[in-house]
Amino acid sequence: DTAVSQTPKYLVTQMGNDKSIKCEQNLGHDTMYWYKQDSKKFLKIMFSYNNKELIINETVPNRFSPKSPDKAHLNLHINSLELGDSAVYFCASSHTRDSASFGPGTRLLVL
Amino acid sequence: AQSVTQLDSQVPVFEEAPVELRCNYSSSVSVYLFWYVQYPNQGLQLLLKYLSGSTLVKGINGFEAEFNKSQTSFHLRKPSVHISDTAEYFCAVSDSSNTGKLIFGQGTTLQVKP
Repeated sequence: DTAVSQTPKYLVTQMGNDKSIKCEQNLGHDTMYWYKQDSKKFLKIMFSYNNKELIINETVPNRFSPKSPDKAHLNLHINSLELGDSAVYFCASSHTRDSASFGPGTRLLVL
Repeated sequence: AQSVTQLDSQVPVFEEAPVELRCNYSSSVSVYLFWYVQYPNQGLQLLLKYLSGSTLVKGINGFEAEFNKSQTSFHLRKPSVHISDTAEYFCAVSDSSNTGKLIFGQGTTLQVKP
């Protein structure tokens, strides 16, 4: 049973394209997150939703737009992809301040 | 603002030797602390967490960590490492805003050699 799943696992695309990453959790958690891991493996939060409400929106370009249709899903849409968007994007979920469960990651490469 | 510093970017160690990965944090309020492990091309897996109570926390795969409030540290230890422990290890603190936001350290690469 996959706790936090993401699709796709790999994403290779051209600059200027628009792409989406989907995330689903079956843990019954009330909070979901998107984290970005850069080429130096540094992890930083991008967004967080609690019960479908956006509660964290870090300094992220407007080209990134999260959407949470329900408590179990959190998607990330990226417009006009740039070379610097190449990274690994992790979805995670938790009961607020307790430990987060992470998905396997989506490896995005922008050419 | 809270921050996490992992004092070693790489730790090489021989198999069956003990290891300590160091983590210091800064926070003016009570914190929740975590250690995660990331194997190559995989997601993050929780090793252990400190929320409250006993300052010595035991986790999976034989790892343990000690919360030291006076030194603001949360070092990770294992008495005898295996080749399979080779991975990236991340220390993290939960943001005091009650949002569940994790602030990560820079990571420590543990290289276990035969």
